[in-house]
Amino acid sequence: GAGVSQTPSNKVTEKGKYVELRCDPISGHTALYWYRQSLGQGPEFLIYFQGTGAADDSGLPNDRFFAVRPEGSVSTLKIQRTERGDSAVYLCASSLTPVRAGGETQYFGPGTRLLVL
Amino acid sequence: GQNIDQPTEMTATEGAIVQINCTYQTSGFNGLFWYQQHAGEAPTFLSYNVLDGLEEKGRFSSFLSRSKGYSYLLLKELQMKDSASYLCAVPNQAGTALIFGKGTTLSVSS
Repeated sequence: GAGVSQTPSNKVTEKGKYVELRCDPISGHTALYWYRQSLGQGPEFLIYFQGTGAADDSGLPNDRFFAVRPEGSVSTLKIQRTERGDSAVYLCASSLTPVRAGGETQYFGPGTRLLVL
Repeated sequence: GQNIDQPTEMTATEGAIVQINCTYQTSGFNGLFWYQQHAGEAPTFLSYNVLDGLEEKGRFSSFLSRSKGYSYLLLKELQMKDSASYLCAVPNQAGTALIFGKGTTLSVSS
């Protein structure tokens, strides 16, 4: 595709349920990032993939959050036992090479708006 | 640690010039990014500075002073469509992600 795509665009769930959020990065981009953005805040880093492996998951808030990227392209962010505080926009981004390569632009998807009731 | 500060809100009128400031504290430095984010949309890349000085790109320019830990985004000939949040960001220490400021919401009125 032309850009990063994310599905669903909106997700409403009940407290305690399990949700999966999907990200399709730009074709050929090896680096993939998940961020979370609350109202009035900048994006907050969750996890970074280089290829298939999670190279940095230090931003995941707790063990209810998990993400995979089994074939090095599509990634899924999984949230177990959702809580009301998990409500936010979950953004995915990709870049051709990692941020540490210097000046590498991250391209963001439109996000998934998660609301936990 | 790393910290980024930018004003929460700014207002301006069409045709004017506005400067959005950003101060940062980092352990090591590997460049500074500016992103634009319209309400309900994804952040989009505006500029990247790694050396001191001003980089001009059409109506938008970005300035960096590494010794002062300071950057600004300059928007000229403001248009209504420039109403958006402007995010300042630096790579984290590990070089694995961007650390964003809270964003500056710019409102342009006619």
